[in-house]
Parts: sequence; C-alpha cells; structure tokens
Amino acid sequence: DAEITQSPRHKITETGRQVTLACHQTWNHNNMFWYRQDLGHGLRLIHYSYGVHDTNKGEVSDGYSVSRSNTEDLPLTLESAASSQTSVYFCASSPTSYEQYFGPGTRLTVT
Amino acid sequence: AQSVAQPEDQVNVAEGNPLTVKCTYSVSGNPYLFWYVQYPNRGLQFLLKYITGDNLVKGSYGFEAEFNKSQTSFHLKKPSALVSDSALYFCAVRDPYSGAGSYQLTFGKGTKLSVIP
Repeated sequence: DAEITQSPRHKITETGRQVTLACHQTWNHNNMFWYRQDLGHGLRLIHYSYGVHDTNKGEVSDGYSVSRSNTEDLPLTLESAASSQTSVYFCASSPTSYEQYFGPGTRLTVT
Repeated sequence: AQSVAQPEDQVNVAEGNPLTVKCTYSVSGNPYLFWYVQYPNRGLQFLLKYITGDNLVKGSYGFEAEFNKSQTSFHLKKPSALVSDSALYFCAVRDPYSGAGSYQLTFGKGTKLSVIP
C-alpha cells in the first residue's frame, strides 16, 4: 500500500548540530508539507513544496530548510539546532488542493 | 489571512451521549474546511471535509460536521460517543483564493475529547 513515512521517529541532538529529518511518500503526490506541533500552538507550517525543485517558506521557517530533488522525498534540515526547535515534526502530502495525509511524526529533542 | 479558533481546549462527554467539538474560522472568501483526529503518538488522520454543496458533511467513524456560513462555524458532531473516540481533534481551513500559498492549511490549536465510560 502507498504510504508516507518519516525517519527517525525519535532523535536527540545537541545545540548547534545540523539535523536532517526524512520524509518519504509513495503516493506520487506533488504537494508536500512540513509542520511542527507544540502544546498550545497546534500545527504550524514550516516549509512546503508543490513539485520537484519547488520550495516555499511557511509561517515558522527560520532555522529550517528543505530541498525537493524528486517527487517522493522532502527532507527537512535544521541548520544549527536550537532548544526552541524541540518539537514533534510532521510531514504531509496531498495529491490535490484538498486534504493532506500525514506521516507518523518525528519527536526531536535538542539538548 | 485565514485563521481557525477552537474555543474549547477540552471536551468531556459520557459514552453514548452526543458530542460536539466546536470550530470557527475566518477567511476572505468561501472556505475549504477540514477535521482531523490525532491519537496518542500518532500522526493526524483525515476525518472529513467541506468544499461546497450540502452544509452537512459525513466522514469517517460516524462523525459529521455542519458548515454554517453566517456563523462562520464548522462544528464536529457525533450522535453517540464511544470511548475509542477519545483523542485530539483539529479543525483546519484553507482559503482557495489566497494565491500562491493557497494549498496551505491553517490549523486550530486542537481540542482534547475525553469520552467517559
């Protein structure tokens, strides 16, 4: 079955290190999104992509970057991890302009 | 700018009773509206959407939602709650006329539903 996966599921890193979170979908969806989920804030959009080589900044993009070299993958990179980036990160994809389908999440702790 | 409000952080309901989780929205035009559910340590699962047409939309697991344009609301409902419905519920809105970023969803902060046996 087609699906969307994220790896790793849990990550502990130190302040200042570069971290990359992987997102892979097998639905062949053009649209992909990264969100972070924090208590009291719901989900906030970090970056999104509407196709290969297309990337766009979301509401909370500072300190994060993405690249889209193929349809299936949208890795999220934290250039220099900060404690404020401790969060749960969700990747999502959608085939159209309607609902999005979410991965299982990555819990990131920055110490 | 689009926004969503979920006025209740938590809703408690007895098993077998009807449940309502409230959502109000703000967009400049006609909205696309969505409900998602999140179980502990899981990703969000799509429940239902309103795009156009009938104001009452039916979704997964017996849930339904009513779009009310005059009150800018999209409340989630279920006639008879189950203990297994206990989860975190998110309302989301999209303004289809917002230009280049128009595929973006804006989420509410979530409502924790607890169904008491």
